[in-house]
Amino acid sequence: QQQVKQSPQSLIVQKGGISIINCAYENTAFDYFPWYQQFPGKGPALLIAIRPDVSEKKEGRFTISFNKSAKQFSLHIMDSQPGDSATYFCAARGQTGANNLFFGTGTRLTVIP
Amino acid sequence: NAGVTQTPKFRILKIGQSMTLQCTQDMNHNYMYWYRQDPGMGLKLIYYSVGAGITDKGEVPNGYNVSRSTTEDFPLRLELAAPSQTSVYFCASRRQGWDHEQYFGPGTRLTVT
Repeated sequence: QQQVKQSPQSLIVQKGGISIINCAYENTAFDYFPWYQQFPGKGPALLIAIRPDVSEKKEGRFTISFNKSAKQFSLHIMDSQPGDSATYFCAARGQTGANNLFFGTGTRLTVIP
Repeated sequence: NAGVTQTPKFRILKIGQSMTLQCTQDMNHNYMYWYRQDPGMGLKLIYYSVGAGITDKGEVPNGYNVSRSTTEDFPLRLELAAPSQTSVYFCASRRQGWDHEQYFGPGTRLTVT
């Protein structure tokens, strides 16, 4: 059972365009929603994160939009660059265990020059 | 700081063999995690630890064992390897408290044939 659903599975965007990746969850106990970026052959690295009491967070070209009532959140990459080509994972933090993260299935982004 | 290091980078096992994946972190983090990553499935938590001597199961613990004798090390043991354990394994760590970022190692690619 996938606790965090992510779409699309893959995305191709022209350089300078906007990349949008969507995630949805059911568990209202989740209290922290990070996005991780992973390049081939590397481990995931934290990109940006948001708490559910905030509707939007922006860091440079990356923005998270959060809709608590719909239990959805999304990553927007403005002015997408070829260097942004990577796999992106959304995640949600539970309140049990070691505040374990539940990851989405990932989106492979390709930015075409 | 080297961060989170994992060895080996690659390994091929025959069915029924055993091996230990090593994970070490030099950030004095209390929390450590083992994930497996399969294509299209995201990252699934195998085991986690909140400190030396304390470990617990994650979402997919069957076929694996862990130990945590020191803060720095969190080895993952595979007994009687099966083809279903072919995957990329990531170790991660984070500080206890409000710093939520999990720092990932570079991964171990394991093939069981």
